Amino acid sequence: DGGITQSPKYLFRKEGQNVTLSCEQNLNHDAMYWYRQDPGQGLRLIYYSQIVNDFQKGDIAEGYSVSREKKESFPLTVTSAQKNPTAFYLCASSDLAALQETQYFGPGTRLLVL
Amino acid sequence: AQTVTQSQPEMSVQEAETVTLSCTYDTSENNYYLFWYKQPPSRQMILVIRQEAYKQQNATENRFSVNFQKAAKSFSLKISDSQLGDTAMYFCAFMKPTGANNLFFGTGTRLTVIP
Repeated sequence: DGGITQSPKYLFRKEGQNVTLSCEQNLNHDAMYWYRQDPGQGLRLIYYSQIVNDFQKGDIAEGYSVSREKKESFPLTVTSAQKNPTAFYLCASSDLAALQETQYFGPGTRLLVL
Repeated sequence: AQTVTQSQPEMSVQEAETVTLSCTYDTSENNYYLFWYKQPPSRQMILVIRQEAYKQQNATENRFSVNFQKAAKSFSLKISDSQLGDTAMYFCAFMKPTGANNLFFGTGTRLTVIP
C-alpha cells in the first residue's frame, strides 16, 4: 500500500557525529520536504525538493544537508554543525501536478542527543 | 510573509459534545488553500480537512467542518460528536498557490476529549 515511511523511529546522536534520517515514498510524488518540530511550536521547513537532483533550503537549513538521487527517496543528514538537533523530524511529499498540492506526512523520527 | 495564529494552546471537550478550534491568518494573496492537520500521540501528522479560498462553501468531512470567513481571514474547525480518538494536537496551515516553500503552520491547539 502507498505511503511515506521514515526510519528509524528513534535516533541517538553523539557529540560531533553526523546522522542520517531516511524518508521513502511510493506515492509517485514529485516534491518532498523535511520539517523540524520542537515542543510548543509548529513545523519549520528545513529543505525541500521538487525534482530529482535538485533541492532548496527552507527556513532553518543550517547544520543540515539532503540529497535527492531518486524520486522516492529524500534522506536528511544532521551534521555536527547543528548545535541543537534534539527534535522531532517529519518528512512529507506532495504531487505538484495536483491542484491543491496537499502535503502528506510520514510517521516521523525523534532525534535525541546523548 | 504569511502568518498563522492559533490563539488557543489547549482546549478540552466532553465526549459526544461539539468543540470549535480557532485559526486566523495573515496574507495579501487572494487565492490560497487552508488545511487542518491532526497530530495524535503517535505524532503522525494526518490531514483532517482542506479548503480552497475561492470556494465560498465550507468544507466538511464527516464530523469535521470548517467555518471559513475570507474577509476576516478566519478558518475555524468544528468537531461534532467528539470521540476519545479525537484527542490530539491540531494544526492550522496556510498554503500559497505557487512555489514549493509555501506551507505555513500555526503553533497548534492541544485538544483533550474527556470521557
